[in-house]
This record gives sequence, structure tokens and C-alpha cells, in this order.
Amino acid sequence: GQQVMQIPQYQHVQEGEDFTTYCNSSTTLSNIQWYKQRPGGHPVFLIQLVKSGEVKKQKRLTFQFGEAKKNSSLHITATQTTDVGTYFCAGRRGGYQKVTFGIGTKLQVIP
Amino acid sequence: DAGVTQSPTHLIKTRGQQVTLRCSPKSGHDTVSWYQQALGQGPQFIFQYYEEEERQRGNFPDRFSGHQFPNYSSELNVNALLLGDSALYLCASSYYGTGGGRDSPLHFGNGTRLTVT
Repeated sequence: GQQVMQIPQYQHVQEGEDFTTYCNSSTTLSNIQWYKQRPGGHPVFLIQLVKSGEVKKQKRLTFQFGEAKKNSSLHITATQTTDVGTYFCAGRRGGYQKVTFGIGTKLQVIP
Repeated sequence: DAGVTQSPTHLIKTRGQQVTLRCSPKSGHDTVSWYQQALGQGPQFIFQYYEEEERQRGNFPDRFSGHQFPNYSSELNVNALLLGDSALYLCASSYYGTGGGRDSPLHFGNGTRLTVT
């Protein structure tokens, strides 16, 4: 079945440093979504990428979708303590296919 | 605009018992997906309901069953509970329509924390 792998699993950074998490799917995806889950909370949708090679930005967050539509990355510039949480990538293969989540990258930001 | 609501928020059950979790989707959404999230893991897909039918299913045993009602709300039932069923159960709603919303993102509820002792 479809698998979505995500690295690293944990990342500690000093406030102001950059952070990147990487996502790889075993199969080609129709789209990839990114979610953020704060401690004790539920996943919250951040963004969706659909096109091959697509790059989207949200303030300090940059999301990329690979040319083969099998990998993606999330880069945060100059982290802040408000960025703390677990970031999940989630892939969909097409149509109403289930959304498969990666294990997540837990980000800790040291003030 | 009400988001996704789940009940109860917490539940403690004994091995072998049965449990029912409930979910009301976000207004305007017609599809409900259920996920199980163990501590430190990503959400694992259980199944998805659309038009009152199970449309997709993940790798979960038949002890996990569900239902969707005409008002789009949904229930997740787990029979013969095992210790390993202890987890956060998340309901996520989305809009599919007649296919135009097929790529719509998931909106999650706060989840039900199930503890099996």
C-alpha cells in the first residue's frame, strides 16, 4: 500500500534558525497537503500542492512539490516559538482516495 | 460557522467492551474520514464515509465499523476493545460534492481520547 515517509522525526532549533522537513511517497501523488498539530491539539490544514514542481509561500513558510510528484518539503525561515508543533505531510493518490499521513516532524524551538 | 465536533472528548473503557464515537462535520461538508493517532505517530486512516456508505478503508480489522447518517454526521464503533486500541481518534470532514471537491483538504475535530484498561 501507499507509504509516506517523513524526516527528520524530531528537530530542535534555536529561535531564529531555519528548519526543513522532508516528505517522500512510495507512489506518485495527485496532491500533497501539509498540516500542523500543536501539542494537545488536532492537525490543522496549512496548504495543498497539486502541480509538479509547485512552490508556495506563506510568510516564513515555503512549501515545495517535487517534479515527480513523489516528494515534498516544508522550509521555515527564522523560526519563532509560535512555530512549535508537529508538521505532517499527507498525500492523496487521486479522486477521493484516502489521505495518507507521514509520521510527522516534531519541531522544538529554543528561545 | 461550526467546525467539526466530536464527542465524547475522553473515554475510559475496559478490554472486551464496545465503544461508539460521534462526529458532526463542518457545515457544508459531505464526507467524513476517521483516523487513529497513537502517541508520537501520524494519523492512521481507518475509513471514509460518503453518501452514507463506506467508500475507502484502511488496514483496520472488522472490529472497527462505522456509519454515516443522512445529515452527514458519523459514528465510529469499535468492538472487543484491546489495550492497543488506546489512542486519539480523529474525525475529519471534507467536501466532495459530485467530484468537484475531490481535492478538498481535511478539517479535523478535537478528537476523542480513548483509554482501554
